[in-house]
Amino acid sequence: AQTVTQSQPEMSVQEAETVTLSCTYDTSESDYYLFWYKQPPSRQMILVIRQEAYKQQNATENRFSVNFQKAAKSFSLKISDSQLGDAAMYFCAYRGPKSGTASKLTFGTGTRLQVTL
Amino acid sequence: DAGVIQSPRHEVTEMGQEVTLRCKPISGHNSLFWYRQTMMRGLELLIYFNNNVPIDDSGMPEDRFSAKMPNASFSTLKIQPSEPRDSAVYFCASSLGQNPNEKLFFGSGTQLSVL
Repeated sequence: AQTVTQSQPEMSVQEAETVTLSCTYDTSESDYYLFWYKQPPSRQMILVIRQEAYKQQNATENRFSVNFQKAAKSFSLKISDSQLGDAAMYFCAYRGPKSGTASKLTFGTGTRLQVTL
Repeated sequence: DAGVIQSPRHEVTEMGQEVTLRCKPISGHNSLFWYRQTMMRGLELLIYFNNNVPIDDSGMPEDRFSAKMPNASFSTLKIQPSEPRDSAVYFCASSLGQNPNEKLFFGSGTQLSVL
C-alpha cells in the first residue's frame, strides 16, 4: 500500500522569507501523481500544486514550487516570499496511475505552517 | 459555480442517533468522494462514486456507515447508530472524472460531534 510521510508536524517562517515543507512517499509504481493541498482555518482543502511523476521538470505555481526527487521518493514544497495568508495546514498527497480503485488520493499527516511578522 | 456544497456545517448529536450528511458536487463532475479527517488518523477515504455508482467502499469503517448517490447532483453519508468515536470532520469532494491527474474540489466539511 502507498504511504505518504510528512515528518514536520509544525513549521514557522517569517513573512517574506522562504520555507520548505518535506514529504516522502512509498510506492512500487513508476507512474503516479503527487499533490500539495492547503487547509486554512476555514477547513476547505485547496489544491496548491501537482506533479506528474513522468515529468522531470519540477512544477511551479507562482510563489509555490516543488523539488521532486523520484529516486529518493521525495516531494518537498517550497514557498517563496511567504505571506500571512499562507498560514495553514499543508498536506502532501499521492495518487496512483490508474482510474478506479487504484486512483484514490492518499494523504500525509500534514504540516502546520505559521507565518510570523 | 458555487463549488462543492456540504450540509450541515456542524452537527452535534447524541450517541445512538442517526446522522445524515449531505453533499452536492460541482455540476458536471462525475466522481464523488467522501473523506473523514481526525487528529489520530488524518484524512481517510471512506468511499467514492463514479457516475453515481460506488466504486470503492473499502474505507467505510463498519456497517453503521452507508453512502448513497441517487443522482448526479446529490450524495448522502449516513451513520446509524452514531458513536462518540465517529466524531470527525467529514469532507465531500468531486472531480470531473477518474483521471488520477484530475483536481479534486473539496467542500468545507461537516464537523460532527457525537456526545
